[in-house]
Amino acid sequence: GNSVTQMEGPVTLSEEAFLTINCTYTATGYPSLFWYVQYPGEGLQLLLKATKADDKGSNKGFEATYRKETTSFHLEKGSVQVSDSAVYFCALPVNTNAGKSTFGDGTTLTVKP
Amino acid sequence: EAGVTQFPSHSVIEKGQTVTLRCDPISGHDNLYWYRRVMGKEIKFLLHFVKESKQDESGMPNNRFLAERTGGTYSTLKVQPAELEDSGVYFCASSQDPGANEKLFFGSGTQLSVL
Repeated sequence: GNSVTQMEGPVTLSEEAFLTINCTYTATGYPSLFWYVQYPGEGLQLLLKATKADDKGSNKGFEATYRKETTSFHLEKGSVQVSDSAVYFCALPVNTNAGKSTFGDGTTLTVKP
Repeated sequence: EAGVTQFPSHSVIEKGQTVTLRCDPISGHDNLYWYRRVMGKEIKFLLHFVKESKQDESGMPNNRFLAERTGGTYSTLKVQPAELEDSGVYFCASSQDPGANEKLFFGSGTQLSVL
């Protein structure tokens, strides 16, 4: 079945540092891929998505490219801010039901001023 | 518009006790999902309601867990009796369109600690 493997955390960076959070996937076919973010005290929210190979999703300065050849969807940001401190989850659908998506373990990012 | 709300935000109980978690979805959302994240690992799907009916409960771990959604509005998830391994964060989400991740809205979760 579909699964995702996310880099282990936690990750601690200084403000303006470059961020990469690795995510690789195993899937039947070529499903859409997603990154969710959970800020402290809030629910998960969709950060970005990519629907097909070589697509780049982007939002709030974050980017992730759907790489079919390496089955990866790594999350990157060129210059992190303190406000980016959160837990990040890579996800892909199990079937056509978005609510049954498979999520990664989550990576906790702390950005220090 | 109010988001998905969950009560309580934290619960600490002793092994063998009963706990009931509540989720209020966004008004008008027929689809309601429960998940849990144990030991800081992946978020696992528990079950899916469409209105008051259980559409898919394949993720429910065992018969100590009982979910209900009477009237198709809010939902409760009862754990009875609670065990140590039930500790974790329980999330709820709702959606009007089950096929769209963009339209899936999550609550902030209930942190359950079983001592």
